[in-house]
Amino acid sequence: GAVVSQHPSRVICKSGTSVKIECRSLDFQATTMFWYRQFPKQSLMLMATSNEGSKATYEQGVEKDKFLINHASLTLSTLTVTSAHPEDSSFYICSARALAAYNEQFFGPGTRLTVL
Amino acid sequence: QKEVEQNSGPLSVPEGAIASLNCTYSDRGSQSFFWYRQYSGKSPELIMFIYSNGDKEDGRFTAQLNKASQYVSLLIRDSQPSDSATYLCAVNGVWGGATNKLIFGTGTLLAVQP
Repeated sequence: GAVVSQHPSRVICKSGTSVKIECRSLDFQATTMFWYRQFPKQSLMLMATSNEGSKATYEQGVEKDKFLINHASLTLSTLTVTSAHPEDSSFYICSARALAAYNEQFFGPGTRLTVL
Repeated sequence: QKEVEQNSGPLSVPEGAIASLNCTYSDRGSQSFFWYRQYSGKSPELIMFIYSNGDKEDGRFTAQLNKASQYVSLLIRDSQPSDSATYLCAVNGVWGGATNKLIFGTGTLLAVQP
């Protein structure tokens, strides 16, 4: 149980384009989903917290207009990187928190974004 | 600033030995504590969590929590080369209303030598 999928696993795009990443909880309902970014050799950095049916809460320094998050259902959240630039190249990982849990988060496999 | 601190390592142990990974946290209100394993290039995988003082065992892994000392550790018995990874400590607490948020340490790189 507690499986989280992410799609795509890897994406290469041109500078200025937008990229959408999907995060799905496959066998449980996720009240909250989280989006992280991780640069090489660095730790996870929380970007935003997403609750189903409400606006995402962004961490300080994360541009909400650049990183659009939609949490349309209890099993799906999407992150759209708008007008991507090379500095947005990173490993994007989502996680999901189940109902009635001790706040443990289950991570998706991640999406490696490369912006040329 | 709420912090979770770990020694970055690398921690090198011989195969079959016990690996001891340590983590301290700054917020006394923290309620639950998690250990994740992350292989290079992969996403974190939950190993176990603990929320009561004392020890919690799961197979070769034992988590230890001491809230008075604000200290949580992970012991890996009979370490195997496949255990070589970065181990992330994460803490959940009640602050600013963000009860769902985990604060991650920077991780300890474990290297198990065959």
